[in-house]
Amino acid sequence: NAGVTQTPKFQVLKTGQSMTLQCAQDMNHEYMSWYRQDPGMGLRLIHYSVGAGITDQGEVPNGYNVSRSTTEDFPLRLLSAAPSQTSVYFCASTLLAGGTNTGELFFGEGSRLTVL
Amino acid sequence: EDQVTQSPEALRLQEGESSSLNCSYTVSGLRGLFWYRQDPGKGPEFLFTLYSAGEEKEKERLKATLTKKESFLHITAPKPEDSATYLCAVRIVKAAGNKLTFGGGTRVLVKP
Repeated sequence: NAGVTQTPKFQVLKTGQSMTLQCAQDMNHEYMSWYRQDPGMGLRLIHYSVGAGITDQGEVPNGYNVSRSTTEDFPLRLLSAAPSQTSVYFCASTLLAGGTNTGELFFGEGSRLTVL
Repeated sequence: EDQVTQSPEALRLQEGESSSLNCSYTVSGLRGLFWYRQDPGKGPEFLFTLYSAGEEKEKERLKATLTKKESFLHITAPKPEDSATYLCAVRIVKAAGNKLTFGGGTRVLVKP
């Protein structure tokens, strides 16, 4: 059982480059989300989705785009990378109960991004 | 503004030395408090869900408790394998959507 799979695990970008972080889950979870984790800042929510075709912003959405065309995939796009986006990114998913995420998130292993 | 604060930031324990971690919150629309464990280089792993003041949950050497304003994670007679960062999170449900907001975490190091 793969769970939540993130690729790539490591990436180095130059300022202004674009890239997509991939996230896939095989648990048929409706809710998927992206967090970034920085020292001293904890996990901060970037974007989340409650189903295919539905996305919403979290605490720190600026500079990031998402889409949800299937239940399984939730890619995170950086259109023009900035050094402030250097971070570890986590994708997480869970079931919905009554339209609300259950709170019991399953996380991927993380993608470490460095922007020079 | 919704806030989740964990203390202390770091905790060094001798094996067998029990201690407690604190998670305090000031949020509206709270629908549950959650504890996670995170090992270095890994994603967080779910531990407990607490919904009501007075509720307690236990798993091996860990016990989580909840009051109206804070939660505690008690580590009883810890072992080196309990070394990790412990995160708490609150689920906020509002008309604008639902999300999980995390605290900054407490890094626990248990020395043999």
